[in-house]
Amino acid sequence: KAGVTQTPRYLIKTRGQQVTLSCSPISGHRSVSWYQQTPGQGLQFLFEYFSETQRNKGNFPGRFSGRQFSNSRSEMNVSTLELGDSALYLCASSFLDSQETQYFGPGTRLLVL
Amino acid sequence: AQSVAQPEDQVNVAEGNPLTVKCTYSVSGNPYLFWYVQYPNRGLQFLLKYITGDNLVKGSYGFEAEFNKSQTSFHLKKPSALVSDSALYFCAVLRRGGGNKLTFGTGTQLKVEL
Repeated sequence: KAGVTQTPRYLIKTRGQQVTLSCSPISGHRSVSWYQQTPGQGLQFLFEYFSETQRNKGNFPGRFSGRQFSNSRSEMNVSTLELGDSALYLCASSFLDSQETQYFGPGTRLLVL
Repeated sequence: AQSVAQPEDQVNVAEGNPLTVKCTYSVSGNPYLFWYVQYPNRGLQFLLKYITGDNLVKGSYGFEAEFNKSQTSFHLKKPSALVSDSALYFCAVLRRGGGNKLTFGTGTQLKVEL
């Protein structure tokens, strides 16, 4: 099976712009979660989608949003980018329940200038 | 709220020696526990997990971890370290019934030297 794929892999934006990141889960996986990784804050949970519904949400401002499509592919959007949004954004997919392993994609590295 | 502590930022070990990377957790109820490894400029790679049952969990690449409920610990171990094991290791906890929200520790950089 192909792993989790994320596009683009690298992105450079300027403050105030918006960005959309894409994640394609492993075939058959219905849950997609997003995480932000920064040197200062480490790995932080953004949100989880399951069957096109947001099931969990982390402590991020409303500028961070996401959605999931009927084929389980997911996108996350960050509006009005700030310098502090520079990070590695990781997507993970799992089959169904929380006891299932989450498999991570390679990430999208976002640099905000 | 759940939390994970990895008390050591870095662990140095000689190749061939056993290694231990420490992890303690705090969560209400019984936890699901995970170890992931991250190589430079890569995503997280799953190593092993504890769901229920035997406290000693065996995973990929010869790694294992022991769940200790009384000490709320889930230390990662390997009997004989390899230089190629050098990477960043993350422990994570997930609260049962809480969906797929993983809470990670701050990570431990493992350096295996010849």
